[in-house]
Amino acid sequence: SYVLTQPPSVSVAPGQTARISCAGNSIGSKSVFWYQQRSGQAPVLVVSDDSDRPSGIPERLSGSKSGITATLTISRVEAGDEADYYCQVWDTSRDHVVFGGGTKLTVL
Amino acid sequence: QVHLQESGPGLVKPSETLSLTCNVSGESISSTSYHWGWIRQPPGKGLDWIGSIFYTGSTHYNPSLKSRVTISVDTSKNQFSLKLTSVTAADTAVYYCARDLYHSVHPAAFHIWGQGTMVTVSS
Repeated sequence: SYVLTQPPSVSVAPGQTARISCAGNSIGSKSVFWYQQRSGQAPVLVVSDDSDRPSGIPERLSGSKSGITATLTISRVEAGDEADYYCQVWDTSRDHVVFGGGTKLTVL
Repeated sequence: QVHLQESGPGLVKPSETLSLTCNVSGESISSTSYHWGWIRQPPGKGLDWIGSIFYTGSTHYNPSLKSRVTISVDTSKNQFSLKLTSVTAADTAVYYCARDLYHSVHPAAFHIWGQGTMVTVSS
């Protein structure tokens, strides 16, 4: 089955830039979505179709894709950005949704 | 504003059937062309898609759960439901219902989520 690989954790100091990767075969042909999940809360969609932002999501959060890797970039990181982040695609070969394992972002 | 709310038993015995309902308010399931999905999250672990249903009743299921899952829709009550049979402790999780982002022929992404409901499988 299709696999999306994320680093378990990323740490960054306030004001710096955090980059969270999501690797998968043929990811270039798929739309990638990113979710933010703060502790004890439901996930929130923060990036759609690789790089679009749903209404209400700050411009500091952005998505990109190159080769077999999609990346969520969070600029000027704030304490409130501390959360788990998940990437997700629709796998057309097996007709199912696939989530990455998640990355815990720690703000130092 | 669209609101989703999960409901159902918080405790299910092993080998029995887990049944949850997602009540949708602020939007009619039957008048919109969205997929409606179920996602779960075991304690301390990541997100796991269970399946999605279109307002017509067409379904997509996670292949790993397909033999045990049924998702149905009741447009008259504006709700959709999940049944998971033969549960074990591994099915203990927070269960979320969610609405898709797009009007599409297949599920794409989850834009609007319920708050989630914890289901524990234990005797």
